[in-house]
Amino acid sequence: QSVLTQPPSVSGAPGQRVTISCTGSSSNIGAAYDVHWYQQFPGTAPKLLIYGNNNRPSGVPDRFSGSKSGTSASLAITGLQAEDEADYYCQSYDSSLSAWVFGGGTKLTVL
Amino acid sequence: QLHLQESGPGLVKPSETLSLTCTVSGGSISSSSYNWAWIRQPPGKGLEWIGSIFYSGSTYCNPSLKSRLTISVDTSKNQFSLKLSSVTAADTAVYYCARLNNFLDYWGQGTLVTVSS
Repeated sequence: QSVLTQPPSVSGAPGQRVTISCTGSSSNIGAAYDVHWYQQFPGTAPKLLIYGNNNRPSGVPDRFSGSKSGTSASLAITGLQAEDEADYYCQSYDSSLSAWVFGGGTKLTVL
Repeated sequence: QLHLQESGPGLVKPSETLSLTCTVSGGSISSSSYNWAWIRQPPGKGLEWIGSIFYSGSTYCNPSLKSRLTISVDTSKNQFSLKLSSVTAADTAVYYCARLNNFLDYWGQGTLVTVSS
């Protein structure tokens, strides 16, 4: 059971917009700790996709965006492409656990 | 460009100690801005933060692993290391090292460690 809750899977057709939610609590996201997002393809290391809730590292397309409100955060992907099919993880810090925590991951399928 | 590389045995027997080293190149591990982290991912499952270390030696450990975990740093070799004792099959995972700045911006490629007799 992950501290941050993500849907196991989401799907969308090419060109559509999809969102992935990340739900936490008052000791992590709700405590104003930043949320970060990672993209992982099979057999490879995760790659930083969004940091500090809504910032993209250099090289990440602006089709990817993040937001945060209350005890939840979301990753939005617009103009969905086949190459976006991957696993996505959210991450934050939890003050009760004194630990960095991840969501359980969401598998994105491009139909 | 920063590069991280994990190294260590790919097979560890139950009850023994898992030992891994992460070698950092393209930058100094002694930077005052970053911690250096270990993360693992059991086959087919999600990511778990194991622990992290500052170049000064200050460590931060996952409470669920703290009693079995040692993380150390060798600034002269630009390396940091992980030791996990009394391993069981539940410790079988791909182990990653990464640079931690509240977020993990540089990752090693990962190394699979299997716990089996």
